[in-house]
Amino acid sequence: DAGVIQSPRHEVTEMGQEVTLRCKPISGHDYLFWYRQTMMRGLELLIYFNNNVPIDDSGMPEDRFSAKMPNASFSTLKIQPSEPRDSAVYFCASSPIAGVGQETQYFGPGTRLLVL
Amino acid sequence: AQKITQTQPGMFVQEKEAVTLDCTYDTSDPSYGLFWYKQPSSGEMIFLIYQGSYDQQNATEGRYSLNFQKARKSANLVISASQLGDSAMYFCAMREGPGGYQKVTFGTGTKLQVIP
Repeated sequence: DAGVIQSPRHEVTEMGQEVTLRCKPISGHDYLFWYRQTMMRGLELLIYFNNNVPIDDSGMPEDRFSAKMPNASFSTLKIQPSEPRDSAVYFCASSPIAGVGQETQYFGPGTRLLVL
Repeated sequence: AQKITQTQPGMFVQEKEAVTLDCTYDTSDPSYGLFWYKQPSSGEMIFLIYQGSYDQQNATEGRYSLNFQKARKSANLVISASQLGDSAMYFCAMREGPGGYQKVTFGTGTKLQVIP
């Protein structure tokens, strides 16, 4: 089975540009998560969706960040305009329907973003 | 207060020896789940093992076992017969609340280095 797919794997952009990160969750998973990982702050949850509906976006750092999930197989995280402090690895993860022992989140390979 | 505490920033272990990575957690919720993830230098996050708060027995997955001490609120990861490929960052994580609530908090990680 294919795991979580993220694209691009690497992104280098200039400050002020729009950045769009993409994620395809594992088929059949009802939950999708976006995380950001930096040396300073570790792994932070930005937002998560259940059945394509955003449930908790309290981790989104500011209005420059937005996330959508138009259908069960696709999600985007957009940063507009991007800033150097947004440089990080962005992970997408998905999880099956909630149930005892089924909450495991499976991570994609991540997108390494560098904003110059 | 930190919800997940990993007090060992770095650990060394001799190849073929066992190693314990510490994790303590803080929650007042009776229903929670504990996870361990491995992040090798390539960057992906790999799920290792899960322990539910109501599970009577410690979880085991191959060479990984979780030493769950509920009263002490600790969930240490034990890796037996260490291999060079075990060198990586290891993250402890906790999901609070019943299975329908998916928000997971991660610790700061422990960097394990296996010495030949």
